Amino acid sequence: AQSVTQLGSHVSVSEGALVLLRCNYSSSVPPYLFWYVQYPNQGLQLLLKYTSAATLVKGINGFEAEFKKSETSFHLTKPSAHMSDAAEYFCAVIRNTGTASKLTFGTGTRLQVTL
Amino acid sequence: NAGVTQTPKFQVLKTGQSMTLQCAQDMNHNSMYWYRQDPGMGLRLIYYSASEGTTDKGEVPNGYNVSRLNKREFSLRLESAAPSQTSVYFCASSEARIIRIDTQYFGPGTRLTVL
Repeated sequence: AQSVTQLGSHVSVSEGALVLLRCNYSSSVPPYLFWYVQYPNQGLQLLLKYTSAATLVKGINGFEAEFKKSETSFHLTKPSAHMSDAAEYFCAVIRNTGTASKLTFGTGTRLQVTL
Repeated sequence: NAGVTQTPKFQVLKTGQSMTLQCAQDMNHNSMYWYRQDPGMGLRLIYYSASEGTTDKGEVPNGYNVSRLNKREFSLRLESAAPSQTSVYFCASSEARIIRIDTQYFGPGTRLTVL
């Protein structure tokens, strides 16, 4: 079964510091991986997705993620954190069965950005 | 273009009461989904509808029913609410044209408390 594990339920960084949010996947077939962001009291929105076209994926708001098959990882990074990045971040994998895309989410990582 | 809309935003029920959560999308998407979000557990799929006229169970369907009323609307019904159903409920939709890289678009959520 395909699943994702997010290491660290809370991450705190200073404004301007590197953001690194970790996600490892478990899959017997090539996975299709996603990062979603949830701002306070809002729904989720897509940050970026890995579709096997390139291992380094660039998303919105300066975020990017690198797919590393040897490490079964898809970590999310941003070179310089901004206060507006404070949110909860979810890694997800698609279970490609049938005619609908069923996402399996990680448990989420809450990012705090401090001055 | 409102995207995915959900009503109501907040609801408080007593144990045993019933209610229907409404969801509509204006993106002409084929597939729609209902998730629940609980602290520390990420989002879990309750039911989904791959296309108009079809519905299927997700990971946690017990205690819920759904109706895909037409292509735009997908409702979630709690027949006899229980405290364990206290959660935030999200509706999502997707085009589902290429399943493995399908992007889901989320509504703002319904915060439900069952006393």
